[in-house]
Amino acid sequence: DVKVTQSSRYLVKRTGEKVFLECVQDMDHENMFWYRQDPGLGLRLIYFSYDVKMKEKGDIPEGYSVSREKKERFSLILESASTNQTSMYLCASSFIGQGLQPQHFGDGTRLSIL
Amino acid sequence: QKEVEQNSGPLSVPEGAIASLNCTYSDRGSQSFFWYRQYSGKSPELIMSIYSNGDKEDGRFTAQLNKASQYVSLLIRDSQPSDSATYLCAPSGSSNTGKLIFGQGTTLQVKP
Repeated sequence: DVKVTQSSRYLVKRTGEKVFLECVQDMDHENMFWYRQDPGLGLRLIYFSYDVKMKEKGDIPEGYSVSREKKERFSLILESASTNQTSMYLCASSFIGQGLQPQHFGDGTRLSIL
Repeated sequence: QKEVEQNSGPLSVPEGAIASLNCTYSDRGSQSFFWYRQYSGKSPELIMSIYSNGDKEDGRFTAQLNKASQYVSLLIRDSQPSDSATYLCAPSGSSNTGKLIFGQGTTLQVKP
């Protein structure tokens, strides 16, 4: 079974802090993704990475950056946290195979910015 | 027009009935289609994948795909209260990047 592990289930931070969310997958997947999910807005893609050190902006990258130094690990960074970044953050990974493959999600991190 | 359209619901069915969840998509280049189930407060869980026109059955779940009509559906037979969740439709879109286009989901309520 695919295992995608997010470092924290719940996190509370203060406005202006630099926040790191970590995600690790154990299936040697090439693709990794960061989403946020808010009521009424669905899943929105922040960034994704298709290889080590490679990244591409998603639909809402403003205020975020990412890092992928190793294939299994993809980090999301909130450079200066703001209250409007309070949300559920979901990491996912997928395999590049013949035919597009599904994404597998971690348990999510519920982040509150005070 | 949204890229992926799902009726937000809630769709309410009695226990034991068939629940029918529908999804239309705009990108004709989509080749792969996925259904995810998401319980309240939890992350999405993959329940079905379908790649070609027709039906695909897995236990109580059947996915149906009609690429000409740009329509994909999920049928849940013998619905159980434990099926109460939000169901997300996710076509692949025409890019080969691995990105999926998620619908906002249909909330299903199965009443005992």
